[in-house]
Amino acid sequence: DAGVIQSPRHEVTEMGQEVTLRCKPISGHDYLFWYRQTMMRGLELLIYFNNNVPIDDSGMPEDRFSAKMPNASFSTLKIQPSEPRDSAVYFCASSPALAGSIGGDLYTQYFGPGTRLTVL
Amino acid sequence: ELKVEQNPLFLSMQEGKNYTIYCNYSTTSDRLYWYRQDPGKSLESLFVLLSNGAVKQEGRLMASLDTKARLSTLHITAAVHDLSATYFCAVGNTGTASKLTFGTGTRLQVTL
Repeated sequence: DAGVIQSPRHEVTEMGQEVTLRCKPISGHDYLFWYRQTMMRGLELLIYFNNNVPIDDSGMPEDRFSAKMPNASFSTLKIQPSEPRDSAVYFCASSPALAGSIGGDLYTQYFGPGTRLTVL
Repeated sequence: ELKVEQNPLFLSMQEGKNYTIYCNYSTTSDRLYWYRQDPGKSLESLFVLLSNGAVKQEGRLMASLDTKARLSTLHITAAVHDLSATYFCAVGNTGTASKLTFGTGTRLQVTL
């Protein structure tokens, strides 16, 4: 399996522009997570989905952030408009729901390579 | 609200020495994970601990779980430079299935 795939790997944009980050989870995983990592705040959970349905978006910092999962193999995180304080590494992770499920241990989250976002 | 604390936050140690990283959490949980992150890289799963007294070992790393004390430890034996990385513990939120709360991370630097 190719693991969790994220694109782009690096994104540099100007304040006010729309940014879209993409994620393809491991096939067969039921859960998908979006995290943000910064030096100041560490690793923060933004939102997670179960079977394509958003379960908890309490970590989404404000209305400028939105996430979708139109099918089991694709999710997007959108920031509109972007601000310099959004600069961070954004990780996508996926996990199986049950022990012995395809691709991993019980609820272990498998992380993608991340997208490094810089907003100027 | 589940809180997860790690200590130390930063650890510099010489090759060949032993040390322990501690992970405390505030509420009951049924699973605990350890992850490793190399600089500029993603997080890699190391261990999953699912029961009181669970112990898992991989090479020079050994993780254990005491659910009564709400404490997990990651013990490093005879450290080598390749173990330099940031180590995170993550605790499962009981009742919320796959959701994890991550600790602040411990940055380990092993010097030659």
